[in-house]
Amino acid sequence: GAGVSQTPSNKVTEKGKYVELRCDPISGHTALYWYRQSLGQGPEFLIYFQGTGAADDSGLPNDRFFAVRPEGSVSTLKIQRTERGDSAVYLCASSLIPAEYTDTQYFGPGTRLTVL
Amino acid sequence: SQKIEQNSEALNIQEGKTATLTCNYTNYSPAYLQWYRQDPGRGPVFLLLIRENEKEKRKERLKVTFDTTLKQSLFHITASQPADSATYLCALASYSSASKIIFGSGTRLSIRP
Repeated sequence: GAGVSQTPSNKVTEKGKYVELRCDPISGHTALYWYRQSLGQGPEFLIYFQGTGAADDSGLPNDRFFAVRPEGSVSTLKIQRTERGDSAVYLCASSLIPAEYTDTQYFGPGTRLTVL
Repeated sequence: SQKIEQNSEALNIQEGKTATLTCNYTNYSPAYLQWYRQDPGRGPVFLLLIRENEKEKRKERLKVTFDTTLKQSLFHITASQPADSATYLCALASYSSASKIIFGSGTRLSIRP
């Protein structure tokens, strides 16, 4: 079956621009996570959705970052007024049951964002 | 502050030997610990999960130990193969925030034929 997919695979933008990154989780997975990974580092938690609602957004670095999941499936991570420091690989993961029950997370390939 | 430490230097070993990777943590009371494999340009792939009340977990050639007194987990790959070459990530989650998984920076493992 299809895994987690993310689009675009690469995004180059200019400082100050707005970007949207999309995540298609595995069908039927209720939990969805966004992470950010810089070179040589592990993934850094950004936000967790259970269904349509953001159950934990404590990892979002500031109010320029926002994520939605309106129908409980596809999610979009939105970054306003991008800065060079936002350059990283943005990873999405999904799991069948809520994180509280320690289900396996399945990661997508990531979107490499470069802010010039 | 909470910290997860993994060997920052790459680990190079001969094919057939056992590879052992270390994950240490401080200022943290994890409910469980996970190990992931990550290949270049790809997302992490889940390998094993061990809970704080478990000492050891095995899966095929993989073995994980978890010592909450030492605040350490060891990850072993026996009979290593060149295909095992990748970066291995340790990740922790607490009871109070089970959804917020904290990852270490990973250790790069290289198995030479």
